[in-house]
Amino acid sequence: AQSVTQLGSHVSVSEGALVLLRCNYSSSVPPYLFWYVQYPNQGLQLLLKYTSAATLVKGINGFEAEFKKSETSFHLTKPSAHMSDAAEYFCAVSERGGSNYKLTFGKGTLLTVNP
Amino acid sequence: DAGITQSPRYKITETGRQVTLMCHQTWSHSYMFWYRQDLGHGLRLIYYSAAADITDKGEVPDGYVVSRSKTENFPLTLESATRSQTSVYFCASSGTFGSAYNEQFFGPGTRLTVL
Repeated sequence: AQSVTQLGSHVSVSEGALVLLRCNYSSSVPPYLFWYVQYPNQGLQLLLKYTSAATLVKGINGFEAEFKKSETSFHLTKPSAHMSDAAEYFCAVSERGGSNYKLTFGKGTLLTVNP
Repeated sequence: DAGITQSPRYKITETGRQVTLMCHQTWSHSYMFWYRQDLGHGLRLIYYSAAADITDKGEVPDGYVVSRSKTENFPLTLESATRSQTSVYFCASSGTFGSAYNEQFFGPGTRLTVL
């Protein structure tokens, strides 16, 4: 069975600092990988996805993530944090093949941006 | 308006009452999902549906019932609400059957409190 581990339930950065949110997955074959963002009192919005094209994936709002098969990781980064980036971020994985419609989510990382 | 909507957005009920949460999408997506979000647990899948009249259990189905008579609607019913069902409920939809991968699109959520 697939699983997703997000290291750090809470990450705090200063405005302008690097954002690094960690995600590791467990899967027998390279899966599809997603990062979602949830702003307060809203639903989840897709930030970016990895579907086996380029290993470095660019998303919305200046975020990007790199798929590293050897490390089974898909960490999310942004060079310079903005106050508007404060939100909860979820990493998710889906299988290739028959069950690819189901997502397994990590428990989320709450990002705080300090002025 | 196009998209995925949920109603009501907020609901307070009492233990033992029946509650139905509504979900409607305008994309004609094949798949629809119900999740609950609780602190420390991330998102957990309750039920999903691959098409009209096809539903299946997710990770935490006990105490919930779903139906899908029309492609665009996927109501979730709590037949006899319990305090442990106090949560934020999200509906999501995705792609077409047989797509290579299916990113999910989320509604705004329903915050349910069971007293």
